[in-house]
Amino acid sequence: AQKVTQAQTEISVVEKEDVTLDCVYETRDTTYYLFWYKQPPSGELVFLIRRNSFDEQNEISGRYSWNFQKSTSSFNFTITASQVVDSAVYFCALRGSNYKLTFGKGTLLTVNP
Amino acid sequence: EAGVAQSPRYKIIEKRQSVAFWCNPISGHATLYWYQQILGQGPKLLIQFQNNGVVDDSQLPKDRFSAERLKGVDSTLKIQPAKLEDSAVYLCASSLLVSGQGGAFFGQGTRLTVV
Repeated sequence: AQKVTQAQTEISVVEKEDVTLDCVYETRDTTYYLFWYKQPPSGELVFLIRRNSFDEQNEISGRYSWNFQKSTSSFNFTITASQVVDSAVYFCALRGSNYKLTFGKGTLLTVNP
Repeated sequence: EAGVAQSPRYKIIEKRQSVAFWCNPISGHATLYWYQQILGQGPKLLIQFQNNGVVDDSQLPKDRFSAERLKGVDSTLKIQPAKLEDSAVYLCASSLLVSGQGGAFFGQGTRLTVV
C-alpha cells in the first residue's frame, strides 16, 4: 500500500520569507516516483516536479528547491523568498509500479504581503 | 499542446438524479485517471485506465458510480443516483504509459453540487 503524509495542514508566512513544505511517504515498491503539485484558488492542479527513486540529487529551479532523502522517506519542497502569488494548496504525491498516483492531504500556504 | 479537457465545469443537481462528466486526455496519453476532491481534502483516486482497460477501481463506489473509456481515448464518469456526499470536484488526469515519465496532467475539473 502507498501512503503520503503532509503533516502541515496550513502555513502562513510573510512575503520574502523562505518556507519548507514537508512530505513523508510509504511504499513497498523499489521503483517509484514522487511529485509536487500546486493548486491555486482557481482549482487546477499544476504539476511542479517529478523525482524518481533512483535519483536523490536535489534540485533547484528558480525560487523552488526540492530535498529528496530516501533514508527518511521524505521529499520536502522549499520556496525561497516567497511571494503572494505562491499562495495555494500544495500536494505531494507518490506513484508506484502500478502507476497509481496517491496524494497527500495537502498544505495550504498563505503568503501575506 | 492542448491540455486535459473536461466538461462541464459546473453542475448542480438534486439528490437521486444522475449526472455524467466527460474527459478528453492529452493526445497520446495512455493512462487516464478520475479523482474526487472533496473540499479541503487531497484528490482521491476513483478509477485508473490504461488504454481502455481498468487498472484500479478499488475506491470507486460501484453501486452508484461507473466509468468507461471507449477506444482508449475519451472517458465518461457517471453517478446514478447522486447523494449529497458526492458534492466535490471531479478531476480527470492523464499521463504517458512509460513508467513514471512525466507527471500526470490535470484538467480544470467539474465542480458538482448535489442539493
